[in-house]
Amino acid sequence: SAVISQKPSRDICQRGTSLTIQCQVDSQVTMMFWYRQQPGQSLTLIATANQGSEATYESGFVIDKFPISRPNLTFSTLTVSNMSPEDSSIYLCSGAGAPLGTQYFGPGTRLLVL
Amino acid sequence: AQRVTQPEKLLSVFKGAPVELKCNYSYSGSPELFWYVQYSRQRLQLLLRHISRESIKGFTADLNKGETSFHLKKPFAQEEDSAMYYCALRAYGGSQGNLIFGKGTKLSVKP
Repeated sequence: SAVISQKPSRDICQRGTSLTIQCQVDSQVTMMFWYRQQPGQSLTLIATANQGSEATYESGFVIDKFPISRPNLTFSTLTVSNMSPEDSSIYLCSGAGAPLGTQYFGPGTRLLVL
Repeated sequence: AQRVTQPEKLLSVFKGAPVELKCNYSYSGSPELFWYVQYSRQRLQLLLRHISRESIKGFTADLNKGETSFHLKKPFAQEEDSAMYYCALRAYGGSQGNLIFGKGTKLSVKP
């Protein structure tokens, strides 16, 4: 199994600012994903973080708004740019040892934008 | 389109009663289905996956392709089973390996 940590665990931010969330995995994983869980909603995939190359974004999510980095097999960052109150959500990092392997989740980052 | 539906937002049962959390899916290919659980103040974790055909914490789930369902069942609910339960479908294609989640069902087991 993989243990995934995220920083920060929560934050309160002002409109128009940006926040970078870090995700660290205790072992090498092939796949890393970023999800969003808005209040009362299910988890929605933002993008797949690819090592050393641009992330693969889902429909409705763009790189300018959610830039993602993944410099190695155990670390990734998600930036929420030019935030608005609609970005208030829980952001979750997930990793899997293989494309068909079990997905493990981080504890989430709870973001509130005022 | 790929979709997971959990019709119940909240399910409340008494301790010792049977529980069934419903999950239906829409997927054109051969599905891989999971149940994830999130206990209070804990992270999301895998409960079981259909290909394992195992029972975890007394829970089982059978994939019914004819009814496109993957309901989670437990014959005798315990108070510690109270949690959010998410059904998920593994999708393929542009985002290989990612999961599509239902909206979740909050299970409350009363003493």
